[in-house]
Amino acid sequence: DAMVIQNPRYQVTQFGKPVTLSCSQTLNHNVMYWYQQKSSQAPKLLFHYYDKDFNNEADTPDNFQSRRPNTSFCFLDIRSPGLGDAAMYLCATSPTGDSDTQYFGPGTRLTVL
Amino acid sequence: AQSVTQPDIHITVSEGASLELRCNYSYGATPYLFWYVQSPGQGLQLLLKYFSGDTLVQGIKGFEAEFKRSQSSFNLRKPSVHWSDAAEYFCAVGARDTGRRALTFGSGTRLQVQP
Repeated sequence: DAMVIQNPRYQVTQFGKPVTLSCSQTLNHNVMYWYQQKSSQAPKLLFHYYDKDFNNEADTPDNFQSRRPNTSFCFLDIRSPGLGDAAMYLCATSPTGDSDTQYFGPGTRLTVL
Repeated sequence: AQSVTQPDIHITVSEGASLELRCNYSYGATPYLFWYVQSPGQGLQLLLKYFSGDTLVQGIKGFEAEFKRSQSSFNLRKPSVHWSDAAEYFCAVGARDTGRRALTFGSGTRLQVQP
């Protein structure tokens, strides 16, 4: 089945130690999104790629970076995780953006020790 | 900019009872509207969406929602709730014709189902 896959499902890192989260899709969608979701809160968009075009949200900290080496894969890099970065990170895709339906992966739960 | 309000943080209903989750949006034109459901520790699953046309939208799992322009609302309903419906529900709005390819989510409503 076509889907959005996130690895790992659970990630533990140490304060200040760089970490990379992975997302892949078999939907061949142009747009890939990264959201941060803290407990009992709405998903908060960090950035998205439209094809190779990177779009950063104005309030996304510089600590968060992203890479999209090809259509299928997108990575979230946290350069120096702080305790406040512990959250669920959700990857989503959509065909063209423009408020298409977004298809979400299962998320990666990040713990920062 | 668009915004979404879900007034109810937490709702408890009995299994078999009817359900209505409220969603109000703010946007200058007709928006795209979505309802997503999130089970604990999982990603979000689309329940239904409104783009245009019939204002009563049918979704998966027996859910429906009605777009009411005059009230800026898009409430989610289900006539008979099942225990498996216990989850977090998010309403989201997308803007037309702005080139912004992102959704704005409400803060969510957590549904608890009592036996």
